[in-house]
Amino acid sequence: EAGVAQSPRYKIIEKRQSVAFWCNPISGHATLYWYQQILGQGPKLLIQFQNNGVVDDSQLPKDRFSAERLKGVDSTLKIQPAKLEDSAVYLCASSQTGRSGNTIYFGEGSWLTVV
Amino acid sequence: AQSVAQPEDQVNVAEGNPLTVKCTYSVSGNPYLFWYVQYPNRGLQFLLKYITGDNLVKGSYGFEAEFNKSQTSFHLKKPSALVSDSALYFCVAWNQGGKLIFGQGTELSVKP
Repeated sequence: EAGVAQSPRYKIIEKRQSVAFWCNPISGHATLYWYQQILGQGPKLLIQFQNNGVVDDSQLPKDRFSAERLKGVDSTLKIQPAKLEDSAVYLCASSQTGRSGNTIYFGEGSWLTVV
Repeated sequence: AQSVAQPEDQVNVAEGNPLTVKCTYSVSGNPYLFWYVQYPNRGLQFLLKYITGDNLVKGSYGFEAEFNKSQTSFHLKKPSALVSDSALYFCVAWNQGGKLIFGQGTELSVKP
């Protein structure tokens, strides 16, 4: 079974530029998550989708971050304009139903450096 | 407030010795508990989970974890550590609101 796919793996951009990350979840998984992980810390949820609807985006900095999951499968996370403090790993994850107790599977991450 | 605590930032173990990575939790209702491992420059990999049933849960790479309801703990264990086990380990719980709560992570270092 293929895992969660993410691209690009690494990206370096200057502050105020834009960047987009792509995610393809495990086939059949209805729930998709984007997490931000600052070096040395645990992941922080940015946004959760159930199929193509947003369940939770309370911690998404909406002035600069946006995400979509148009057909209920792939998802894109965009940052525009980027700030230095956005340097982090952006982890996409998916689970079958999103219900408590479901196993969440993570991708390898997209590593962003803002200079 | 619901929380997961990993009291040790770092655990150092000699190869071949048993290892324990500690985790305690505070969540409402039945706890659903997970362990994930993160190798350098990689994403989080699922190791094992406790949902219900047997308190001793076996997972990937020879790891196991013991659920202790009275002590609200879910410690990760392995009988014989390998150098390749060196990584960052996260204890994670689902809260009643359907959200994951992460511990702060424990860096495991296994020396030859």
